[in-house]
Amino acid sequence: DAGVIQSPRHEVTEMGQEVTLRCKPISGHDYLFWYRQTMMRGLELLIYFNNNVPIDDSGMPEDRFSAKMPNASFSTLKIQPSEPRDSAVYFCASSFAALNTEAFFGQGTRLTVV
Amino acid sequence: DAKTTQPNSMESNEEEPVHLPCNHSTISGTDYIHWYRQLPSQGPEYVIHGLTSNVNNRMASLAIAEDRKSSTLILHRATLRDAAVYYCILRDNNNNDMRFGAGTRLTVKP
Repeated sequence: DAGVIQSPRHEVTEMGQEVTLRCKPISGHDYLFWYRQTMMRGLELLIYFNNNVPIDDSGMPEDRFSAKMPNASFSTLKIQPSEPRDSAVYFCASSFAALNTEAFFGQGTRLTVV
Repeated sequence: DAKTTQPNSMESNEEEPVHLPCNHSTISGTDYIHWYRQLPSQGPEYVIHGLTSNVNNRMASLAIAEDRKSSTLILHRATLRDAAVYYCILRDNNNNDMRFGAGTRLTVKP
């Protein structure tokens, strides 16, 4: 397996534009996590899914953020409209459900909103 | 509320052992202790996990206190490539989420 794949790797957009980040988890994994990382706030859990169903979205900062998982092999994180304070590195991770298994992270998407 | 507490930073000399502590005093009986690390400009990567017994793998060892309220990640011989932020987290039955604290930034000096 190629691991967790995120796209794009880098995104530069203007304030007010819609941004869509994509994630392909490892095949067979039950859980998918979205994180945001900044210097100020560290690595924050935004939302996670179990078998394509959102379980906890309490970390989603505002209504401008939304995440979907239409099937087991694809998830999106959308920001609409984007703001400069959304600039961060966004990570996606996936794992099996068992507590004694490891999670695998993608390489991240570096988002810059100007 | 943070489930784990770790020192903000630690330093080590190359080729020497490093002991990274983590406190998790509110751990429940079925929580697994996981360690991840994040190298510069990369996503976090798994290091090791355990439940009650000490664990060894090719990367590190995990020593778990008898009461499970603390654990220590042991790098037996630190290399410059081990410089990273090390995170200790708990995975539990109730949520099975993976929430990261601030971690410990390890600096390895040549």
